Amino acid sequence: AQRVTQPEKLLSVFKGAPVELKCNYSYSGSPELFWYVQYSRQRLQLLLRHISRESIKGFTADLNKGETSFHLKKPFAQEEDSAMYYCALSAAAGNKLTFGGGTRVLVKP
Amino acid sequence: EPEVTQTPSHQVTQMGQEVILRCVPISNHLYFYWYRQILGQKVEFLVSFYNNEISEKSEIFDDQFSVERPDGSNFTLKIRSTKLEDSAMYFCAIQGRLAMNTEAFFGQGTRLTVV
Repeated sequence: AQRVTQPEKLLSVFKGAPVELKCNYSYSGSPELFWYVQYSRQRLQLLLRHISRESIKGFTADLNKGETSFHLKKPFAQEEDSAMYYCALSAAAGNKLTFGGGTRVLVKP
Repeated sequence: EPEVTQTPSHQVTQMGQEVILRCVPISNHLYFYWYRQILGQKVEFLVSFYNNEISEKSEIFDDQFSVERPDGSNFTLKIRSTKLEDSAMYFCAIQGRLAMNTEAFFGQGTRLTVV
């Protein structure tokens, strides 16, 4: 069974502070991991995925297979980063996404 | 980025009525999905559709639900007899163009309210 856990429902940080969103997963094979973001009144959109190993909008995420984690980090949060962030897992290309419960990030000025 | 348009944006229906949610993906893709999110809960997978048939469905997707792609463009989710607990945001997603890209593109969602 696939499971994704995001332990924090809400993260509130000041502008310029680091932010880390935790994501742990459970899957017996080698999954693909993603972070999706949903800004206010907008659709879910892909932020980044582990296979591309890139930084998007200053965010990075490293897949740690030993700890089965895929935490999302940004060293200096900006107000425009305020959004809902969802960690998601897929068994393979063309397979469904299993989402975590989401973390709401609020960046205060 | 491929565009996925869902209609209507908000649907209010009486319990027991049938509803059809529509998704129009602009451009050709391989995989089509429906997800739903009950208020305050996770985004949950409902069904995936590939090569004009259901490839996987969740426990939620019971006999009350059906999907089809009648004209090769629209992708619809039908709920035959709605229940109060069907109230949720329903998201359509597309994935996998020719290169089997794993990125899923979501529509803006349809908010279904069953009263």
